[in-house]
Amino acid sequence: GENVEQHPSTLSVQEGDSAVIKCTYSDSASNYFPWYKQELGKGPQLIIDIRSNVGEKKDQRIAVTLNKTAKHFSLHITETQPEDSAVYFCAAFDQTGANNLFFGTGTRLTVIP
Amino acid sequence: DVKVTQSSRYLVKRTGEKVFLECVQDMDHENMFWYRQDPGLGLRLIYFSYDVKMKEKGDIPEGYSVSREKKERFSLILESASTNQTSMYLCASEKGGRGTEAFFGQGTRLTVV
Repeated sequence: GENVEQHPSTLSVQEGDSAVIKCTYSDSASNYFPWYKQELGKGPQLIIDIRSNVGEKKDQRIAVTLNKTAKHFSLHITETQPEDSAVYFCAAFDQTGANNLFFGTGTRLTVIP
Repeated sequence: DVKVTQSSRYLVKRTGEKVFLECVQDMDHENMFWYRQDPGLGLRLIYFSYDVKMKEKGDIPEGYSVSREKKERFSLILESASTNQTSMYLCASEKGGRGTEAFFGQGTRLTVV
């Protein structure tokens, strides 16, 4: 099955700075890579996703890049704000038969005002 | 908006009790999932279901079972609760098909004493 590794486990940045979270995956058949944000006391919520036919996708201050050759993808948050503080999870979708997502271990992002 | 509702936010149960965690979604999604979330381990899949009365084991099914008698409802059962099942439990649903957004409930924090 798929194995998704995520780094760092914790990340603190000053408000206005950028934050980058990196993930690697093992299964070259994976072709869908979502990112979820989990705020305190809530379930994870999709914030952005990318499919394997593109290398980069942006949505306002959030961008995701994908390198299929190296099997890694990253989340970039620019101009961070205190409300960006949360736990972020990357995930990879495994096409090898099991129709479910494999999640990374999460990154706790703290934006310091 | 899609809504996934878990019946309890917090539960405290005794060792050996049979525990039921209920999840209901209101968007006619085919796929439903139960995850367990622990610090440093991310989201681990316990069981999932693609259809009524259908279930498949995830990565950590031991000590758990599930029931899906109706499309909108997916129940997680701890047959005999143990202290190592103290955790946050998250239910999710997906429309189905390859690589679609998962919608999560708010989570149930279960403590087994």
